[in-house]
Amino acid sequence: NAGVTQTPKFQVLKTGQSMTLQCAQDMNHNSMYWYRQDPGMGLRLIYYSASEGTTDKGEVPNGYNVSRLNKREFSLRLESAAPSQTSVYFCASSERAGQETQYFGPGTRLLVL
Amino acid sequence: GENVEQHPSTLSVQEGDSAVIKCTYSDSASNYFPWYKQELGKRPQLIIDIRSNVGEKKDQRIAVTLNKTAKHFSLHITETQPEDSAVYFCAASRAAGNKLTFGGGTRVLVKP
Repeated sequence: NAGVTQTPKFQVLKTGQSMTLQCAQDMNHNSMYWYRQDPGMGLRLIYYSASEGTTDKGEVPNGYNVSRLNKREFSLRLESAAPSQTSVYFCASSERAGQETQYFGPGTRLLVL
Repeated sequence: GENVEQHPSTLSVQEGDSAVIKCTYSDSASNYFPWYKQELGKRPQLIIDIRSNVGEKKDQRIAVTLNKTAKHFSLHITETQPEDSAVYFCAASRAAGNKLTFGGGTRVLVKP
């Protein structure tokens, strides 16, 4: 079992460019999440998908879109990157939403110049 | 929405001493409280959790206590070791809620 995987590991973008961060899990989990972690700060929820076919906004959704492609995959898209989106992005999954252990991916380090 | 505050933001302890991290939450409907550990450059990983029907839970050197009336919960690490050096995050979730709300994190440094 690979658990939760994320691609790419590292990306540099110029302001205004777009990109999609990919996340996949092989644990047959129903729920998936996207967080961002700024230096020295905690985890802030961007979007989540409680179950296949549903997505909801988290604490900091502005500037992002998501797609729950199927049960395994949950992607995060930046349509027009801004320097304020420089961060480490973590994807996570859990068997059920909210009250179960969340398993995190290794993270994607994004630098927007 | 839920708000979780975590203190202290940094904690330095001597190896062998105990470390205590405290979190308060705002939503009285919250009933699930996990703790995650994040080593430098790594992903967060669950180390212990507690549900509101119990007041304390232990797992070897770590324990979590919950005071529902005061809406706070704490992580206790005894006999600290250098490998306990990491950032620790508390979180809370309400019954029938779909997401966790994380505290700001505590950076723990264990000095040999």
